[in-house]
Amino acid sequence: QKEVEQNSGPLSVPEGAIASLNCTYSDRGSQSFFWYRQYSGKSPELIMSIYSNGDKEDGRFTAQLNKASQYVSLLIRDSQPSDSATYLCAVLSLISSGSARQLTFGSGTQLTVLP
Amino acid sequence: DGGITQSPKYLFRKEGQNVTLSCEQNLNHDAMYWYRQDPGQGLRLIYYSQIVNDFQKGDIAEGYSVSREKKESFPLTVTSAQKNPTAFYLCASSQWGTDTQYFGPGTRLTVL
Repeated sequence: QKEVEQNSGPLSVPEGAIASLNCTYSDRGSQSFFWYRQYSGKSPELIMSIYSNGDKEDGRFTAQLNKASQYVSLLIRDSQPSDSATYLCAVLSLISSGSARQLTFGSGTQLTVLP
Repeated sequence: DGGITQSPKYLFRKEGQNVTLSCEQNLNHDAMYWYRQDPGQGLRLIYYSQIVNDFQKGDIAEGYSVSREKKESFPLTVTSAQKNPTAFYLCASSQWGTDTQYFGPGTRLTVL
């Protein structure tokens, strides 16, 4: 059973601070990693994807991947109240029965940015 | 506008009834997916389809059925065999060969 673990939170940070969200995964064969943002009552929205070890930056967001430690994180710089949402980590792995690949989601971390 | 549409937004079902959730995409994506989300939990895969007229069971397919007669459409039927169907249902699609999945707005199903 492939697993993706996240701290459920809630995580609260003051406006302007750095929010750090963490995720670990169990399948060493995982190839691709994604962060989605989900506002309450809405569907997930893709924020970042990362495929190789190291950091990937996109605006205020930085994704970090360490495959040896099976760890992926998301940093949000200069956090804004509009960043308040649940952040879902998703890991892509091969489905053992064929060539298809499956996204496995963590349960999400709820982030609140305080004005 | 390209995107994924799901209907209805809210759906109420009496126990013992089958209901069908619609998912349509005009992104020309090959692959489509159905997920279920329960409060405070992540998404769990119900069914997926890589090409027309072919689909595969995900982790929680029992009590659900799908069809893929057209590339742009992937309806999900929640049957009376699904014992606890109240949940938020999300449809997604991706271009085969890429890994990125994009989600529709979701359907919230409530069993009365």
